[in-house]
Amino acid sequence: GAGVSQSPRYKVAKRGQDVALRCDPISGHVSLFWYQQALGQGPEFLTYFQNEAQLDKSGLPSDRFFAERPEGSVSTLKIQRTQQEDSAVYLCASSLRFTEQYFGPGTRLTVT
Amino acid sequence: GENVEQHPSTLSVQEGDSAVIKCTYSDSASNYFPWYKQELGKRPQLIIDIRSNVGEKKDQRIAVTLNKTAKHFSLHITETQPEDSAVYFCAASNNNDMRFGAGTRLTVKP
Repeated sequence: GAGVSQSPRYKVAKRGQDVALRCDPISGHVSLFWYQQALGQGPEFLTYFQNEAQLDKSGLPSDRFFAERPEGSVSTLKIQRTQQEDSAVYLCASSLRFTEQYFGPGTRLTVT
Repeated sequence: GENVEQHPSTLSVQEGDSAVIKCTYSDSASNYFPWYKQELGKRPQLIIDIRSNVGEKKDQRIAVTLNKTAKHFSLHITETQPEDSAVYFCAASNNNDMRFGAGTRLTVKP
């Protein structure tokens, strides 16, 4: 079946612009996670949804980061007033139960 | 919160040798420990996982061991092949979130 998909795959934004990153999880997966992966580093947890409820957003680095999953399926990660330090790959993962997470291909964000 | 440390950061082995990567975690409530393989520019792929009610799990050339008392777990790859070259990440989960190690870049030289 279809895996986790993310769009766009690449995004270049000028500093100060807002961006929106989309994640389509595997159908039926109730849990959805967002991670930020800097070059050469492991994925850093940002936020977690169970269905439409955002149960943990402790990893969001600032109030410029906002995530939503209004209908419990597709999720959007929004970054307002982007800064250069926001440049990274943003990974989305979904799971049927909490355990085995399946990752999307990621969105590579470059802020210039 | 959970803190996961992973060693070594880089590992180079000859084809056919074994490779061992070690991780420690801090949260005694963590009960699920997956390992992911990530090739350059690609998504992390789950290769093996272990839950806290077992001490060892094996899948062909890959095995994972868990020591709950010491809060550490390890990945063992035997008979390494060049296609095993990638970055490997360990993670620990307590059913509320998942934390990853910083990764180990494994290079298998033919």
